[in-house]
Order: sequence, then C-alpha cells, then structure tokens
Amino acid sequence: DAGITQSPRHKVTETGTPVTLRCHQTENHRYMYWYRQDPGHGLRLIHYSYGVKDTDKGEVSDGYSVSRSKTEDFLLTLESATSSQTSVYFCAIRTSDRAVAGELFFGEGSRLTVL
Amino acid sequence: SQQGEEDPQALSIQEGENATMNCSYKTSINNLQWYRQNSGRGLVHLILIRSNEREKHSGRLRVTLDTSKKSSSLLITASRAADTASYFCATDAKNSGGYQKVTFGIGTKLQVIP
Repeated sequence: DAGITQSPRHKVTETGTPVTLRCHQTENHRYMYWYRQDPGHGLRLIHYSYGVKDTDKGEVSDGYSVSRSKTEDFLLTLESATSSQTSVYFCAIRTSDRAVAGELFFGEGSRLTVL
Repeated sequence: SQQGEEDPQALSIQEGENATMNCSYKTSINNLQWYRQNSGRGLVHLILIRSNEREKHSGRLRVTLDTSKKSSSLLITASRAADTASYFCATDAKNSGGYQKVTFGIGTKLQVIP
C-alpha cells in the first residue's frame, strides 16, 4: 500500500491568517493532488503536481498556492484564510504514470475550520 | 464546473437489491474510475475502466463506459448493509501539457437498509 500522511489532521484558525497543509508520501510517485470536499460539491480539484516544481491549477485554485520542492512532499498554502475555505482537504497520490492506469490513493483528510 | 456528475445524488435500497449509479462527464478521458467513501474517511479506489473498454467486472461490481455518450454506470449487485457509503466517479484526462488531471463528481450517497 502507498504510504501517505496529511498534517495537521484538524486545524482551527482565524480569518486572515496563513495556513499550510502538508501531504507526505513514503514512495516516489510522480503525481500528487489536493482536493477539497464540501457538502453538495463532492471533491473539487485545487492544484496538482506532476513532479518536483511542476504544478498546475485545478477547478478551485483561487486563494490557494502549492509547492513541491521534493518528491515526497506537496504543500498547500492558504495565504490569507477565509471562512469559505472551511472544508475537508484531501491529498492523493497517483500510483502509476501511465495514462490508462493509475488509481489514486488518498490520505485521511485535514479538517480546516476558519472562524 | 465539475467534470463528472453522478445520478442519483442519493439512493436508498433494501439489502439484496441491486444499486445502479450513473456518471456523466464532459471531455475526452484516458480512463474513468469509481471510488467509495465511508463517512469521515478518505476515498478508496474500487475499479478503473480504460477509455477503450466498454465493460468491466470486479466481484459484485460491474462498470460500463460509453464514450460516445460520455457516461458510465456502476452496478453493485446483491447489496449489503456494509455497502452503505458515498460513491464517486473520477475522470482521468490529459491537461494541455500532457499531464494527468483527475477530477471527481459530486457523488451518490447509497444507503442499504438491512
């Protein structure tokens, strides 16, 4: 099984503060993804990465930035958190680089509350 | 807007019945995947079907894919109470740079009544 951990698992912060969520994998998978999950919206893609320093925007990238300075870590930063960013954030790794394969393996999620 | 949309959004059935969930998407894909999520947990991969496949089976799961209609269905046969969960379809497609982008639908919440 792919090893993937998210930290912190729970965080409460105030509007306007910066927040960084970390996703760490123990294997060398190329692709990593950040999603947010909200009732009625399912999972929405925020940003994804296809290698060190290679990232792209997803469907809901406004207000978020990412960095991937090494293969195993993919950081999601909210520069100035807003209440609309209260959500559960999931990180996932893609277990194959092949276009026709590659299931995603998910972390357990990070629950963020912005007051 | 999201790539995939599941239908129905909620489904309640009796144990032993079959459950069918549908997914529609908008753009060309390399493959389509179905995932399951138990309340409060991360998603778990169930099955993947490639764009050149029409049907795939895995245990009590049957997935179909119609690329001309841009739709897929997931059938769970002989459902059990333990199948109660949310189910999501995900489309895997290349972005403009040729890299794999995976997007999800809003999900179907399945309740199986014992």
